[in-house]
Amino acid sequence: DGGITQSPKYLFRKEGQNVTLSCEQNLNHDAMYWYRQDPGQGLRLIYYSQIVNDFQKGDIAEGYSVSREKKESFPLTVTSAQKNPTAFYLCASGIPGGAEKLFFGSGTQLSVL
Amino acid sequence: QKEVEQNSGPLSVPEGAIASLNCTYSDRGSQSFFWYRQYSGKSPELIMSIYSNGDKEDGRFTAQLNKASQYVSLLIRDSQPSDSATYLCAVRNTGGFKTIFGAGTRLFVKA
Repeated sequence: DGGITQSPKYLFRKEGQNVTLSCEQNLNHDAMYWYRQDPGQGLRLIYYSQIVNDFQKGDIAEGYSVSREKKESFPLTVTSAQKNPTAFYLCASGIPGGAEKLFFGSGTQLSVL
Repeated sequence: QKEVEQNSGPLSVPEGAIASLNCTYSDRGSQSFFWYRQYSGKSPELIMSIYSNGDKEDGRFTAQLNKASQYVSLLIRDSQPSDSATYLCAVRNTGGFKTIFGAGTRLFVKA
């Protein structure tokens, strides 16, 4: 089945710890995105990548890092510099272009211990 | 001013009624507009996309776009309890590299 797989579903971070959220897609999409969603709020863009080995900061990139070494994979690291990391993280992919719709993974809920 | 604005609700309608959801956006050059439905704890799923002025119908859903007023709406006819969810308006920015989401409108359909 084609789709986007995020793991883990739930993740707990200790003070000062870096954690990495996984996102893999087999839709052959060039573009991939990471969004953060806080309770009762919409999605805010963290990072996006239009092509392998290239990525751009979104609106709230501070405290996060990404890599795009393979077309299928776009992992997000939440660093210790992100002081308020508790949120629902969504990975998405799409075909670059003006009419692009997004396909979402099932999300990772990150909480602080 | 937020880039994409929606009334957070909740919007409550009786079963069988028409639910009307509204959205305004600030980037006048935006070309692509989307409505996503999100159930609690789940990821968003696309229900409608619209690219030109006017109405677009798909089953019980109708999307309306007015670029001059920078306004997008979603009508849900014959609302069902299963339509109870948060509806996110999304706009693809000029240049086409980012999709910006509104905060969402919570809809409750009462049986």
